[in-house]
Amino acid sequence: ETGVTQTPRHLVMGMTNKKSLKCEQHLGHNAMYWYKQSAKKPLELMFVYNFKEQTENNSVPSRFSPECPNSSHLFLHLHTLQPEDSALYLCASSLGLTSGGRTAGELFFGEGSRLTVL
Amino acid sequence: AQSVTQLGSHVSVSEGALVLLRCNYSSSVPPYLFWYVQYPNQGLQLLLKYTTGATLVKGINGFEAEFKKSETSFHLTKPSAHMSDAAEYFCAVFNNAGNMLTFGGGTRLMVKP
Repeated sequence: ETGVTQTPRHLVMGMTNKKSLKCEQHLGHNAMYWYKQSAKKPLELMFVYNFKEQTENNSVPSRFSPECPNSSHLFLHLHTLQPEDSALYLCASSLGLTSGGRTAGELFFGEGSRLTVL
Repeated sequence: AQSVTQLGSHVSVSEGALVLLRCNYSSSVPPYLFWYVQYPNQGLQLLLKYTTGATLVKGINGFEAEFKKSETSFHLTKPSAHMSDAAEYFCAVFNNAGNMLTFGGGTRLMVKP
């Protein structure tokens, strides 16, 4: 039990489908993140939310749409994706972007959602 | 700006041998440094971190890393590899100026029996 739960763990979708990835954290954290992990590429930060407000959008295409209704839940809505979007999508949480001190930079990750776009 | 370079995308060692995974960073301000580990089909988990104080930090599963400011390095070591150490390891740097964690490209550790 990592404290950060992602669903679904695996998703296969066509390029015209609309689907969503869900992330829930039970750690009382205030910041949540989406990362993309592709084969042979570094981890890519996609979005950051701090106290439900988006603080970072790392030039992500609009076919990825995040939603953070509260500090415990984070969604990634997917539509008209491309095959190159196939990857492992990782959600993470942290105490907060301004927590500073000993906990700064310490992220807790979910197990990821493996997405395959056909 | 900050960046992390991990030398060697793949490292192979024999069971019982020394593990050394290299990490060099660049940061315009004193960094916080991290090692994360990712086991197959799992997310990343924190292995150890350096913030301030003692430059040799110990983590879980017998791993340790030493912060060397003069070399801008934070190499990860373990005296004796175990089969269960096979995983991908990520070095990361964080600074308060950017409030962001920057990851290296990762090193896949393979342990041979």
